[in-house]
Amino acid sequence: EPEVTQTPSHQVTQMGQEVILRCVPISNHLYFYWYRQILGQKVEFLVSFYNNEISEKSEIFDDQFSVERPDGSNFTLKIRSTKLEDSAMYFCASRGTSGSNEQFFGPGTRLTVL
Amino acid sequence: KQEVTQIPAALSVPEGENLVLNCSFTDSAIYNLQWFRQDPGKGLTSLLLIQSSQREQTSGRLNASLDKSSGRSTLYIAASQPGDSATYLCAVCLNNNDMRFGAGTRLTVKP
Repeated sequence: EPEVTQTPSHQVTQMGQEVILRCVPISNHLYFYWYRQILGQKVEFLVSFYNNEISEKSEIFDDQFSVERPDGSNFTLKIRSTKLEDSAMYFCASRGTSGSNEQFFGPGTRLTVL
Repeated sequence: KQEVTQIPAALSVPEGENLVLNCSFTDSAIYNLQWFRQDPGKGLTSLLLIQSSQREQTSGRLNASLDKSSGRSTLYIAASQPGDSATYLCAVCLNNNDMRFGAGTRLTVKP
């Protein structure tokens, strides 16, 4: 069964460093999303992406964040200068354009900023 | 602003019991509602999705209902098993993009 994959599973970085989190959505999906979950808190929407542009973004998704679909398979989230409070689990999701519009989530990348 | 609330925050039941998890949302203008399962430190597994025009969905021992006008959804789990122990998340989708999650119900099923 097709699934969303994410790499790395765990990323440790120093404050101020740039990180890129990678996702491979399900191959025929066209809508892509990033969410984050700070330990012990709710899952929060960050951004949605369709047709090579951002379609929605939350207040959390400030200038430090960017997304890109550099090729036909990857979808990346870049954090330019990480802060301690960026430590969280980051989930990628994708959905197709027909049927139930169900979002399928990847296993997540745990980001730890020291 | 859409707020999603899940009650109870935690639930412990003996194996074999039927149980109901509750989700409420403040704005009935939703596109769909999805129930997820999350195991500790893991990702989200989609359990059921209910479109805004539907009233319920069933998958195996799970049944989810939706009452959009009152802003409520329930997840019914029949004949619970220890393997059902996890956190169950409810999420509403707005305008087919922004998804708002509840804080979850942490379920423990004791053997």
